[in-house]
Amino acid sequence: DGGITQSPKYLFRKEGQNVTLSCEQNLNHDAMYWYRQDPGQGLRLIYYSQIVNDFQKGDIAEGYSVSREKKESFPLTVTSAQKNPTAFYLCASSMARVANTEAFFGQGTRLTVV
Amino acid sequence: AQSVTQPDIHITVSEGASLELRCNYSYGATPYLFWYVQSPGQGLQLLLKYFSGDTLVQGIKGFEAEFKRSQSSFNLRKPSVHWSDAAEYFCAVGAANQAGTALIFGKGTTLSVSS
Repeated sequence: DGGITQSPKYLFRKEGQNVTLSCEQNLNHDAMYWYRQDPGQGLRLIYYSQIVNDFQKGDIAEGYSVSREKKESFPLTVTSAQKNPTAFYLCASSMARVANTEAFFGQGTRLTVV
Repeated sequence: AQSVTQPDIHITVSEGASLELRCNYSYGATPYLFWYVQSPGQGLQLLLKYFSGDTLVQGIKGFEAEFKRSQSSFNLRKPSVHWSDAAEYFCAVGAANQAGTALIFGKGTTLSVSS
């Protein structure tokens, strides 16, 4: 089945550590996105990529980094510079070459700092 | 500034009663609009979308939404709520005819269903 796979589902990080969240899609979508979700805050855009080897910062990019070396993959690294990383992270994708299409979401990764 | 406002943080509806969730947007370009639903600890599932044409759009699970340009609104409705509809609902807006742009989300409305 086509879809978006995020792993792991739960992730624990010690203070000062970098962690990488995986996002893989087999929908042949060009565009991919990372959102952060906190209770009562909705979804806030961290980074997005419309094409391989290119990405743009979203509203809350500080303390995060991404890469887009393959069309199928868009990993997110939460660095030690992110002061409050505990949150639910959602990856999404869409057909960048076709306007007026929706975003498809993965099942999310819950990151907790311990 | 581009934004989406969902005025109701939490709504409780009796099972079998009708439902309306409100959504207002502010967007400089021609918008396209979405409603998504999220169960606890899960990703988002698309309920319906509006791009153009008929301003009343039908979605999955018996939901519908009406686009009112004059009011900058895109309210979600369901005539009879089921207990399984309890979830969090998000309204989102994107730029029409600009492929690959990221959606802007409201803060969500949590729906509880009482028996």
